[in-house]
Amino acid sequence: QVQLQESGPGLVKPSGTLSLTCAVSGGSISSNNWWSWVRQPPGKGLEWIGEIFHSGSTNYNPSLKSRVTISVDKSKNQFSLKLSFMTAADTALYYCARVESFGDYYYMDVWGKGTTVTFSS
Amino acid sequence: DIQMTQSPSSLSASVGDRVTITCRASQSISTYLNWYQQKPGKAPNLLIYATSSLQSGVPSRFSGSGSGTDFTLTISSLQPEDFATYYCQQSYSMSRTFGQGTKVEIK
Repeated sequence: QVQLQESGPGLVKPSGTLSLTCAVSGGSISSNNWWSWVRQPPGKGLEWIGEIFHSGSTNYNPSLKSRVTISVDKSKNQFSLKLSFMTAADTALYYCARVESFGDYYYMDVWGKGTTVTFSS
Repeated sequence: DIQMTQSPSSLSASVGDRVTITCRASQSISTYLNWYQQKPGKAPNLLIYATSSLQSGVPSRFSGSGSGTDFTLTISSLQPEDFATYYCQQSYSMSRTFGQGTKVEIK
């Protein structure tokens, strides 16, 4: 079965760029799925960041769109998140997830365990 | 952006109780609504997709209903393992927003 594993630095400096990777195992990133990033600030709810298809098509949260880039590396079977101009408000647990579809319905059915990113001044 | 509002934000209930959580969308989303359960320290887990379709492996005490702007998640008989936070999420628009969550606590 498909498994996802996030990786990346736990600390990011002011105005720096966060770079996270989600490795896909047990399946192909070129399958008929979108691949998503979701974050959760400490003690708060879930925030959808964006998603990518293996073709490179992306959808982003409008509130983050100017700072977010999601990309896919088919040779490594992984996808990545870059978030620029980091601030304290970006401190969160970051999850990657597979987006499954049933007709026009889309839902996140497989999740990584998450990786904590802290803004460090 | 489509805003998703859940109510209540938290509730206390006993084992065996029937629990209902409501999710309201700021505009019609047809039946493009999913529900997730999250336990402390764990990733979210998909419970229901397309408003009422139960994800494989999810107990039948969970059910979902609604359409347009108003949706409900019902737990018919609350079990000890159901104490968690529940989130709705719309997939009608390309920006797939979540509700703020409903925490179900032990009474």
